Amino acid sequence: GAVVSQHPSWVICKSGTSVKIECRSLDFQATTMFWYRQFPKQSLMLMATSNEGSKATYEQGVEKDKFLINHASLTLSTLTVTSAHPEDSSFYICSAPVGGTADTQYFGPGTRLTVL
Amino acid sequence: AQSVTQLDSQVPVFEEAPVELRCNYSSSVSVYLFWYVQYPNQGLQLLLKYLSGSTLVESINGFEAEFNKSQTSFHLRKPSVHISDTAEYFCAADDKIIFGKGTRLHILP
Repeated sequence: GAVVSQHPSWVICKSGTSVKIECRSLDFQATTMFWYRQFPKQSLMLMATSNEGSKATYEQGVEKDKFLINHASLTLSTLTVTSAHPEDSSFYICSAPVGGTADTQYFGPGTRLTVL
Repeated sequence: AQSVTQLDSQVPVFEEAPVELRCNYSSSVSVYLFWYVQYPNQGLQLLLKYLSGSTLVESINGFEAEFNKSQTSFHLRKPSVHISDTAEYFCAADDKIIFGKGTRLHILP
């Protein structure tokens, strides 16, 4: 089946630094990828839709300048958490649909970010 | 905007008993509905989905869900649960996958 990978799987950083998280579709091309954030014992919150070759679409309440998304190729989307603070600590998950956007979404394993 | 409601945050049920996890959605346009499962310490996996056609969809491990347009529901059911079904279950809708808050299924021995 389709595979989506994320790197790194976990990262610890100091407050004020920036962290980049990569999401790759390993055996299929994805013109669209989604970025989610999952708080402990809570659901996934859609942060933004990453579009290859164009700007990302952010959900209401998500700071564009805080969470920079770049969809550089058909197999790679990156999420950069800029000037991270402890409240940004969370589990970040990406997903990509195989085929159309209504098709099955394949999720990455997630990246746990801890900001000290 | 699409929204998904899972009323039960936790559902305890005895092994081999039936279970229903409730999901309601709000939408006035075409609806795509999904159930995802997250086992302890694992990532999300698709359990089943409704895109069109038959309103009853089934998974390979005995779960089924029925799309009910009049009640705007997509409840997940299994006639007999096993310990291995212990997990968090997320209902989701729309092509951008808007998630419900999840329901933790506890299987009691």
